[in-house]
Amino acid sequence: EAGVTQSPTHLIKTRGQQATLRCSPISGHTSVYWYQQALGLGLQFLLWYDEGEERNRGNFPPRFSGRQFPNYSSELNVNALELEDSALYLCASSPEVSSGANVLTFGAGSRLTVL
Amino acid sequence: GESVGLHLPTLSVQEGDNSIINCAYSNSASDYFIWYKQESGKGPQFIIDIRSNMDKRQGQRVTVLLNKTVKHLSLQIAATQPGDSAVYFCAEIDNFGNEKLTFGTGTRLTIIP
Repeated sequence: EAGVTQSPTHLIKTRGQQATLRCSPISGHTSVYWYQQALGLGLQFLLWYDEGEERNRGNFPPRFSGRQFPNYSSELNVNALELEDSALYLCASSPEVSSGANVLTFGAGSRLTVL
Repeated sequence: GESVGLHLPTLSVQEGDNSIINCAYSNSASDYFIWYKQESGKGPQFIIDIRSNMDKRQGQRVTVLLNKTVKHLSLQIAATQPGDSAVYFCAEIDNFGNEKLTFGTGTRLTIIP
């Protein structure tokens, strides 16, 4: 069974540009989560999507946005990039919320570098 | 504000010895805890979880202990192996409806051959 896949693996942008990161969840998982992991730090919750809708959002500015597609894959968009947006962006998926099996399975991440 | 944190950022253990990684949490409403392992270049991997109505849970070579009185969580790894070298995170959810894991900073475990 394929795990959570993310693309691109690495992305280099300059300040002010936009970045788009993609995530494909495990087959059968309907929830997708995005986390930011700055170098040497823990994971900060960004966004949670379930059944195509945004269910929860972390303490990040509006220039961090995303969406979930009908096939449950997801995109994370970061507009007006700033240097401090440089981080590893991790996507995770889980089965439907009502199952109570909310253990997240993570992808390997997309490393965004802003110059 | 609420936070989940770790007592020690780094831990070195001789191969074959047991290791204990500690985690403190401040949200008394937390009812579900998970330990994740993150190896270099990889995403976090689930190790073991525990609900707040339990105080101990055992897996293969790992044991999680929960002390709700002092809001403390620990991960014990028995007979450590080189492959155990990684960063370990504890995470908590305050209720299932929230579905938002709050992670600690992490502890880097290094196994000395």
